[in-house]
Formats: sequence, C-alpha cells, structure tokens
Amino acid sequence: DQQVKQNSPSLSVQEGRISILNCDYTNSMFDYFLWYKKYPAEGPTFLISISSIKDKNEDGRFTVFLNKSAKHLSLHIVPSQPGDSAVYFCAASSTSGTYKYIFGTGTRLKVLA
Amino acid sequence: GAGVSQSPSNKVTEKGKDVELRCDPISGHTALYWYRQSLGQGLEFLIYFQGNSAPDKSGLPSDRFSAERTGGSVSTLTIQRTQQEDSAVYLCASSSGQAGEAFFGQGTRLTVV
Repeated sequence: DQQVKQNSPSLSVQEGRISILNCDYTNSMFDYFLWYKKYPAEGPTFLISISSIKDKNEDGRFTVFLNKSAKHLSLHIVPSQPGDSAVYFCAASSTSGTYKYIFGTGTRLKVLA
Repeated sequence: GAGVSQSPSNKVTEKGKDVELRCDPISGHTALYWYRQSLGQGLEFLIYFQGNSAPDKSGLPSDRFSAERTGGSVSTLTIQRTQQEDSAVYLCASSSGQAGEAFFGQGTRLTVV
C-alpha cells in the first residue's frame, strides 16, 4: 500500500507565479516530513523539512505547510523560476521508529518562461 | 569526498548474472538507505541500516536481493540472477540517524539485457 501519495504526476506553472505541490499520507505515526527535488540523472537533493510540532516552515522561496488532521502537506514555491523545473518528492518518517523515509511517487514541475 | 558516492554509475548486465552495487556514505553518518527508481516510478524503499541495529529489509522485493554494510560504513547491494524487471536506478543515501535529511548519491543505473 502507498503510505505517501502524490496524486498529481505533473504540474505546469508560469514563471513568477506560485507552484503548489501536494502530498498525502496515511500512517498517523509519521511525524517528520521532507521535500526533495530531483533533476534527471542526479540524485535527489533536500529542499525543506517540517516536524509535526509545526504547521509551517519557510526557507526563502519555499514554504511547507502541514495539516496533521487531514494528513496532508504541501510545498509552495513563490515566485517560481525556470530552474525549479524538476521532479519533487515528498517523504515521511516516524521519529519514534527507525527514521526510515517513505517517499511519494513524485510530481514533475515545469516552470514556463 | 564530502558526499555520498556510488559505483558504478552505470551497469549493463546479462539476464541471470549477479551484480554488486557499492555505496560510500558520508563519513560519520550512522544511517544508510537503499532505494530504487524504476522508469516513471517513485523512490521505492529497499533496505535501511542504522548503526549496529539489525537492518530493516522490509523493502527488498525478493530473496535475490541482499545488502551488507561493513564496519558501519561502505554498503554493497547484491542482486543475484538478475531479471529484466530489476532494471532501474539504484540510489543510496545516508543520514546522521537523527531527525534530519538524508543525502543521496548520484545513483547506479542498472540495465539488464
């Protein structure tokens, strides 16, 4: 079963606008969440994380929102830039467990110039 | 080097042959992960090592897959009697073992012909 889901396989956004990438999870034990960006032929690189004690974390153009009751998180990129075009993965883990990260299937973001 | 190193970067093998993929984690990182990404798919968890604890092998797809981590550092993922469905990019990551991001290598692209 897919414990972490990214239901939108792709998203296109105009440069300068907001990109919103969504992620849902089913395991209520998950309490630490991360977003990664992946370019072709490269390994994923870490973007931003959030602990379940928070509902928002911001780092420059990137903000992650966590809604624990809905088991939903989202990544906002404002303003979007062409260099942001990549595949974005969300990941979740349980800090009371083994810190094993479970990844979603990814969303391919294309920022149009 | 400062990052996670994987070798080889590419491997083409004949169906039925065994292959070994190597991962050198970041020095001092106690946690090491193996994932694979098949064409058009997300990151599939394979196995997780944390310090001296027994590895979490729950993601290994069959008994043809095994992994070792020697001396708490280098890890080798072995696939015996490779099949065409084993073709994928195999990604290794390491982390400090506490809540925090995992750092990925560039991956090994395995092609079984």
